This record gives sequence, C-alpha cells and structure tokens, in this order.
Amino acid sequence: EDQVTQSPEALRLQEGESSSLNCSYTVSGLRGLFWYRQDPGKGPEFLFTLYSAGEEKEKERLKATLTKKESFLHITAPKPEDSATYLCAGVNFGNEKLTFGTGTRLTIIP
Amino acid sequence: DAGVTQSPTHLIKTRGQHVTLRCSPISGHKSVSWYQQVLGQGPQFIFQYYEKEERGRGNFPDRFSARQFPNYSSELNVNALLLGDSALYLCASSSLWGVGTGELFFGEGSRLTVL
Repeated sequence: EDQVTQSPEALRLQEGESSSLNCSYTVSGLRGLFWYRQDPGKGPEFLFTLYSAGEEKEKERLKATLTKKESFLHITAPKPEDSATYLCAGVNFGNEKLTFGTGTRLTIIP
Repeated sequence: DAGVTQSPTHLIKTRGQHVTLRCSPISGHKSVSWYQQVLGQGPQFIFQYYEKEERGRGNFPDRFSARQFPNYSSELNVNALLLGDSALYLCASSSLWGVGTGELFFGEGSRLTVL
C-alpha cells in the first residue's frame, strides 16, 4: 500500500531561521511527488510538482527537492506569513488518487 | 474568476442521518475529486469524476456515493452517518482527467460534525 510519511509533525522557528521539512514515501511506481500548503480552515494550495530524482523547484523562500526515497521542502529565512501546515502527496502510475502525508505544522515566530 | 465553491461550509448531523455535500468546480474544469480530512491528518481520497463518469474510488464503504452533473458540479452523499465520519470534506477540481501535474484546486471544504 502506498504510504507517505512526513517529519517533523510540528516545527517552530524564529523568523529568519532556515530549516527543512522531510517527506519519505513508499509509492510503487511513483509518477509525481507534490507539495501543498494548507492554512487553518482552508483547503490545500498547490506549491510544487516533482517528477524525478534530482529535480528541484523554487518559489520565493521555498525550495523542494526529490531523491529516490524522499523529498525535502527547504525554507530559507522564513517570515511569519509562511506559518501553515505543509502537506506532501504522491501519485503512482496505477491510479489518479493523491496519497497525502499527515503534514508538518510550521510556525514562524516574529 | 471564482474558485472551487463548496456548500454547506459547516453542518451538524446525528448518527444514522444522511448528508449531501455540494461542489462547483472552477469554470472549464471537468474533473472533480473528493477527499476526507480528519482533524490532524492528511486528506484521504474518496472519489474522482471526469466527464460525469467515476474514474477512481478510495477505500471507503458503500455508504459513500457521489455523482457529477452535466454542468460538472458534483455531490457527495453519505448515508447512515457514524461518529467517525466527522471531518472536513474537500472538493478539488482540475482541467485534466487525472492528477496530471498535481495542481488540484481545492475548495475550502465542508466541515461535518456527527453527534
């Protein structure tokens, strides 16, 4: 069964303190690895898609990377508005469903 | 342009009752997916519809059903509600028949509480 595991569950950082969020996956025949951001009481908002090991995507203070077994979301010099839950999801070639991890709740303290 | 809209935003039901949740996708999007998100967990796939046909189903009991209408809006129905059905129900639309690039556009969800 496909599985996506995220760590840590929660992370508190001072404003400007860089860090990384981890997503490890066991998705047979991985077709794509996705990152979403979810604010409290809202639906997830798409951030990145990664297709192959070695691929990197960047958006503002966020950079997503992918290896054969895991993905990292690096956040550089975060600001309070980056506080949210970050969700990782995988999809395989066999179906069209996203398998989500439980997320990392990120809090940036001013 | 309007995003994905869901209704109702909040509702409270008692065990054994039936609920219908509604979703209107982004204009021009023909694919709608439903996800269940229990508090503190990631979303879990329930159904996907494309061009009014079911294209995928997750591991949910037959109490859960859905349909898509000619205008591409969708309904999720849950019968014989259980306490464990309490969750945020998310609808997502995309312009592609499948997950494709992974850019699903989610609505803000319908929060269901079962007492």
